[in-house]
Amino acid sequence: DQQVKQNSPSLSVQEGRISILNCDYTNSMFDYFLWYKKYPAEGPTFLISISSIKDKNEDGRFTVFLNKSAKHLSLHIVPSQPGDSAVYFCAASERAQGAQKLVFGQGTRLTINP
Amino acid sequence: EAGVAQSPRYKIIEKRQSVAFWCNPISGHATLYWYQQILGQGPKLLIQFQNNGVVDDSQLPKDRFSAERLKGVDSTLKIQPAKLEDSAVYLCASSLVRVRLAGERDTQYFGPGTRLTVL
Repeated sequence: DQQVKQNSPSLSVQEGRISILNCDYTNSMFDYFLWYKKYPAEGPTFLISISSIKDKNEDGRFTVFLNKSAKHLSLHIVPSQPGDSAVYFCAASERAQGAQKLVFGQGTRLTINP
Repeated sequence: EAGVAQSPRYKIIEKRQSVAFWCNPISGHATLYWYQQILGQGPKLLIQFQNNGVVDDSQLPKDRFSAERLKGVDSTLKIQPAKLEDSAVYLCASSLVRVRLAGERDTQYFGPGTRLTVL
């Protein structure tokens, strides 16, 4: 039972354009969502997060949008840079006391072409 | 600030052998997690510690996997005996548990992982 789904295994975008990565979830108890970025031979690195009390969170070139009614979130990267080439994981968690259990999607490999 | 340390980085064993992985979390982080990431999939939580107590081990295959957190700091994850399907990257993560504003959560910081190949 895949509770968090990233249906696009890969995405290729030209440098300077917008990259849009999508994520869907099925568990209505999820109330906190994160995006992690992973380079080869490294662990995932936290990128940006959003609480279910918001519908948008922005940090520099990265913006995450949350559509609770559709159980859908997306990550926008503008403008895309070659260093953004990596695997991006969407993750979700339920309300918890302090610590949290993350459920990850399968990942989307983003390639930025010069 | 030093990150999460893991060793070894790579390990190749034959099926039915035993293997152990080590993790040193970021200093002061009370919560420690072990994840299994199979090729082409996202990380899956195996076990979560808060200090030296287990918070969640519902997805740990307890017939062959075991984990402990020594004195609430370092942790080891053991597989005995290993199966072919255990081939994966084993990631350790840690987070700082503290009171936060409504809607905020602690960030989990990941180590580089140990790539296990079972032949």
